[in-house]
Amino acid sequence: AQSVTQLGSHVSVSEGALVLLRCNYSSSVPPYLFWYVQYPNQGLQLLLKYTSAATLVKGINGFEAEFKKSETSFHLTKPSAHMSDAAEYFCAVTSDRDTDKLIFGTGTRLQVFP
Amino acid sequence: DAGITQSPRYKITETGRQVTLMCHQTWSHSYMFWYRQDLGHGLRLIYYSAAADITDKGEVPDGYVVSRSKTENFPLTLESATRSQTSVYFCASSDLEGGTGDGTQYFGPGTRLLVL
Repeated sequence: AQSVTQLGSHVSVSEGALVLLRCNYSSSVPPYLFWYVQYPNQGLQLLLKYTSAATLVKGINGFEAEFKKSETSFHLTKPSAHMSDAAEYFCAVTSDRDTDKLIFGTGTRLQVFP
Repeated sequence: DAGITQSPRYKITETGRQVTLMCHQTWSHSYMFWYRQDLGHGLRLIYYSAAADITDKGEVPDGYVVSRSKTENFPLTLESATRSQTSVYFCASSDLEGGTGDGTQYFGPGTRLLVL
């Protein structure tokens, strides 16, 4: 069955530093992949998605992610962190058995220090 | 312009009471979902619906009931609330039958439920 692993439940960076949030999936079939962001006391907001077009996907707020089939990874990056990026980030993948559902990782909380 | 809304946003109830959480979407999306979010567990799917009058269990359905008589509404009922059902509940919708068909889900703002 499909699964998603987000390495690191907490990541801390300084403002202006590179942000790297890791996501690995398990699937023999290239899935659709998503990153969502959740700000405090809010719902999840779509950040970006990979749907088998370009492997480098650009999202909102300067984030991007690269689909690497050989590594079964879809890591999220941003060159320069901003205080407003502090939030929880979830990686998700379409289920290989039921493509109408998403499988979510357990989330990574990003802290940004001044 | 509302998108997807949930009500109430906050709810306190007592063990054994019935509670209904409402979800309404204005996009006419075919699919709707209910998740609960708990620390350390991320998002877990409770129930989902592919269309009006079609519902199916997710990962953690016990203690919950859903219905979908209209495409735009997907209420979640806790028949007899327990403390373990204290959580944040999110509703989502997806346009799998149309649009991009890629499974993108759009989330409501959530309902924080406390069961005493």
